[in-house]
Amino acid sequence: NAGVTQTPKFRVLKTGQSMTLLCAQDMNHEYMYWYRQDPGMGLRLIHYSVGEGTTAKGEVPDGYNVSRLKKQNFLLGLESAAPSQTSVYFCASSYQEALTEAFFGQGTRLTVV
Amino acid sequence: SQQGEEDPQALSIQEGENATMNCSYKTSINNLQWYRQNSGRGLVHLILIRSNEREKHSGRLRVTLDTSKKSSSLLITASRAADTASYFCATGLSGSARQLTFGSGTQLTVLP
Repeated sequence: NAGVTQTPKFRVLKTGQSMTLLCAQDMNHEYMYWYRQDPGMGLRLIHYSVGEGTTAKGEVPDGYNVSRLKKQNFLLGLESAAPSQTSVYFCASSYQEALTEAFFGQGTRLTVV
Repeated sequence: SQQGEEDPQALSIQEGENATMNCSYKTSINNLQWYRQNSGRGLVHLILIRSNEREKHSGRLRVTLDTSKKSSSLLITASRAADTASYFCATGLSGSARQLTFGSGTQLTVLP
């Protein structure tokens, strides 16, 4: 069983380029999340979804967009990448929002030059 | 803003010793969770303690929760080199803002 799978694992972008990070989960979870992790900052919530077709802003949503067209997939988009978006991005899913354990993907290391 | 803050930021111990990490938070919670992150990997859930619980055990892990002090501690007994990782507390909030909020973590190094 795969759990939560993120693609790609690594990416280098030039400033102004766009890209989409894909997260897929096979646990039939309603809730999915995108976090970014920066040194000394822990994990900060970017956007989250409480079910298919729904999305909501987290703590640091600016510069990102998301979509949840299918229950198992949660996409994170960067329309015009900036060096400040250099980070490690983690996707997670859970059965109940914040009330049960979250399952994390392996992360995507993004560098914007 | 971060809800949970771990203390210490870094901890280095010898194999076989116990490791204690603390987490403080600011607002009322539904539960508090501890996660481990090995270098370059995703987070792995260790244990969840609900707001009406005071102590919970799982193998070599012992978690306490003091809601009056808004604090929690994670004790790892008889540590092993494989326990070397970053440990994060995460709070599940009550009310409408039901999202997991993570602290900045404690980096634990267990020396062989």
